[in-house]
Amino acid sequence: EVQLLESGGGLVQPGGSLRLSCAASGFTFSSIAMTWVRQAPGRGLEWVSTISDSGINTHYADSVKGRFTISRDNSKNTLYLQMNSLGAEDTALYYCSKDVGPIFFDYWGQGILVTVSS
Amino acid sequence: DIVMTQTPLSSPVTLGQPASISCRSSQSLVHSDGNTYLSWLQQRPGQPPRLLIYKISNRFSGVPDRFSGSGAGTDFTLKISRVEAEDVGVYYCIQATQFPRTFGQGTRVEIK
Repeated sequence: EVQLLESGGGLVQPGGSLRLSCAASGFTFSSIAMTWVRQAPGRGLEWVSTISDSGINTHYADSVKGRFTISRDNSKNTLYLQMNSLGAEDTALYYCSKDVGPIFFDYWGQGILVTVSS
Repeated sequence: DIVMTQTPLSSPVTLGQPASISCRSSQSLVHSDGNTYLSWLQQRPGQPPRLLIYKISNRFSGVPDRFSGSGAGTDFTLKISRVEAEDVGVYYCIQATQFPRTFGQGTRVEIK
């Protein structure tokens, strides 16, 4: 059974940092590109970042470029999102998902809440 | 970036009646490999997104056959043949043909 479990969220002050993790199981993690998607309260889904299976290739939304870093540890079956210089606009529920064809986004985690507030 | 535009943004439906959601992309979603990576997601209240349809018209595992997808190029449609109470939620189209991945704004399906 495929499982994705996010952790590391919480309350952080503006300008602060946080690292999210997504623990994966039930599939060959090292062969699958992974993505972070976020959802601000009451808003729609927003793609944040994607990393290739090897970790060599990464992509970022303009809204987080230069502040967020996606990475992975294939030996630990874990995906990460390092978030720096956080602002109120980053307050959201963050989801991880598989991002590989032909069936993109077939499994999602339950999400982890990040709140940026003083 | 590819802009995804959904209509309507809200769809009140009577139980047992059909519902239809349109999704238009600002450019063709045909990938260089010949596939069109347009998917539909359902998000029930308080739940994470759930994949319903991939590559325009393929139902994901466990998805009821009252859900169907169609379209080509830049115009796509999700149809629910007979809406049930459990179908209440927000529906999103998403393209995975190129980066950045982009979502439609979401369409809220509610029961009249």
